Amino acid sequence: GAVVSQHPSWVICKSGTSVKIECRSLDFQATTMFWYRQFPKQSLMLMATSNEGSKATYEQGVEKDKFLINHASLTLSTLTVTSAHPEDSSFYICSAAKPGGLETQYFGPGTRLLVL
Amino acid sequence: TQLLEQSPQFLSIQEGENLTVYCNSSSVFSSLQWYRQEPGEGPVLLVTVVTGGEVKKLKRLTFQFGDARKDSSLHITAAQPGDTGLYLCAGSRAGNMLTFGGGTRLMVKP
Repeated sequence: GAVVSQHPSWVICKSGTSVKIECRSLDFQATTMFWYRQFPKQSLMLMATSNEGSKATYEQGVEKDKFLINHASLTLSTLTVTSAHPEDSSFYICSAAKPGGLETQYFGPGTRLLVL
Repeated sequence: TQLLEQSPQFLSIQEGENLTVYCNSSSVFSSLQWYRQEPGEGPVLLVTVVTGGEVKKLKRLTFQFGDARKDSSLHITAAQPGDTGLYLCAGSRAGNMLTFGGGTRLMVKP
């Protein structure tokens, strides 16, 4: 199997605070993890590609200082939304790929962030 | 503009009807995947097609990859309310990351 978990499932925070979201591959090692953002009734938008032990690659228009990504181990990547604002409210989804298998991504259940 | 265009964007049908969702691009993909996503959950992989002209069946779902590997279709026979969800196609080129289509939101009414 290929199970990916995310924590937390839901988070509500005040504007200006930072929020950390964890993405874990539970039964396989993931050299590459991806972070997506999804607005209501829309498709997934890739934010960044996270490689274990190196800096993340951000998509155009995604602020790297705003969305901090750390991929410190083969089973864990974290996304920190710094100084969150209401417009950061969204559904954040991570996925993980097995070594050599970038074409197959296994998705986490998502984290819904609401910034008040 | 979307690299992968999905159509229709929204589809509401009665239980028992058939439907087809299309995923089109001007680019060639090494593989194409179809996902289904329910509200508040992450996408779940349905199928991966890699060969031009390939047809895969998953119960009442039939997936086809175009001969030129630029397009794909998903056909559902005798749709059921449990098929309701967001269907996403995603293409990959030479091992690179996935590019998602805009999604097709399907509602099957009992």
